[in-house]
Amino acid sequence: GPKVLQIPSHQIIDMGQMVTLNCDPVSNHLYFYWYKQILGQQMEFLVNFYNGKVMEKSKLFKDQFSVERPDGSYFTLKIQPTALEDSAVYFCASSSGTGETLYFGSGTRLTVL
Amino acid sequence: GQQVQQSPASLVLQEGENAELQCNFSTSLNSMQWFYQRPGGSLVSLFYNPSGTKHSGRLTSTTVIKERRSSLHISSSQTTDSGTYLCALDSGGSNAKLTFGKGTKLSVKS
Repeated sequence: GPKVLQIPSHQIIDMGQMVTLNCDPVSNHLYFYWYKQILGQQMEFLVNFYNGKVMEKSKLFKDQFSVERPDGSYFTLKIQPTALEDSAVYFCASSSGTGETLYFGSGTRLTVL
Repeated sequence: GQQVQQSPASLVLQEGENAELQCNFSTSLNSMQWFYQRPGGSLVSLFYNPSGTKHSGRLTSTTVIKERRSSLHISSSQTTDSGTYLCALDSGGSNAKLTFGKGTKLSVKS
């Protein structure tokens, strides 16, 4: 089936540093998403992105977070600066439209020390 | 309160037994997806099922909108079915956003 690729699979950084998580969505998809899952907890929506803009974000999407997809390249989630509570697995997803199947990547496990 | 509730929270089966996983939701439904989350964490989409019944191999998903529930049936379970099963609700609106349940952790023993 369609594949969403996430790079890197693991990232360890020191608190206060910047981190960029990369996502290569399904090629003809137009809607992109980030979800966050703290170990052992529920998957939670962070943000969705369409036509170069954030359409909706949750309260988990702090001011330190930003997303972009410059010129059809990777869809990225940047956290600057990072905090200890940002440690989690971040999942990227994409879909061809609203109300359509979301396809998820394998996640990036972020550890903030 | 919790918009999406899954039951049971965990389930242990002997190989060959069947399983019925439930997902109840309290808001309107635009779509329902079922996912399998591997022990390592990656997600696999099992069904996109806004209504009715769908089959895929040993898996069957049934969504009954007016009863605000969706179920996932696993027949003749195998040890490789072990993992966490998540249902996720899209309640509609102009922006697609999934609300996940907490999952059912399934363990199938040989």
